[in-house]
Amino acid sequence: DIQMTQSPSSLSASVGDRVAITCRASQSITNYLNWYQLKPGKAPKLLIYAASSLQTGVPSRFSGSGSGTEFTLTISSLQPEDFATYYCQQSYSTPPTFGQGTKVEIK
Amino acid sequence: QVQLQESGPGLVKPSQTLSLSCTVSGGSISSADYYWSWIRQHPGKGLEWLGYIYYSGKTYYFPSLKSRLTISVDTSANQFSLKLSSVTAADTAVYYCARRVLTYTDYFDFWGQGTLVTVSS
Repeated sequence: DIQMTQSPSSLSASVGDRVAITCRASQSITNYLNWYQLKPGKAPKLLIYAASSLQTGVPSRFSGSGSGTEFTLTISSLQPEDFATYYCQQSYSTPPTFGQGTKVEIK
Repeated sequence: QVQLQESGPGLVKPSQTLSLSCTVSGGSISSADYYWSWIRQHPGKGLEWLGYIYYSGKTYYFPSLKSRLTISVDTSANQFSLKLSSVTAADTAVYYCARRVLTYTDYFDFWGQGTLVTVSS
């Protein structure tokens, strides 16, 4: 199975900050990388698919980059509703696997 | 807008079978463009894919769960289901159903809000 490693595991930031979360794959996954936002009690939300494609309806402050084994989710200006846990997921091979998550907290 | 909703018991006794259903609204489960998936999250842990099913009934399971897991589909009810047998405390988790889009690089585009299942006597 392909292992996905996110860093950091948590971060504290203020509204308006630029935030970057890194995801590394244990082997090349080309651009088969997706990002999700999870909040307690709510349906998880797809943010980015194919490493850099913004899902319909997702604010443009979210962006994704990378290919191969290293990927980044960037939030250009953190908003109050962005405090959540973020997960990367590879769809290069079965089983699909997720990173361990990055919790974004209010500073 | 597609919506998915999980339903089923929140408490299951050890060694029994955990059964959940996912009702899909706003779209047809019989579409050739999607797989229908189950994913879980153990308390305080990350996400774990369990398996998925195509409308035809074709299934893929996480290898380590394959002997205990059955996913089925009821196209007339626009619903799919999960059965996990011989559960232990290690199966305590929030269970999500999700739609997997079949493109050149697939992803889970719609999810249910999840249901907590606790395994305890």
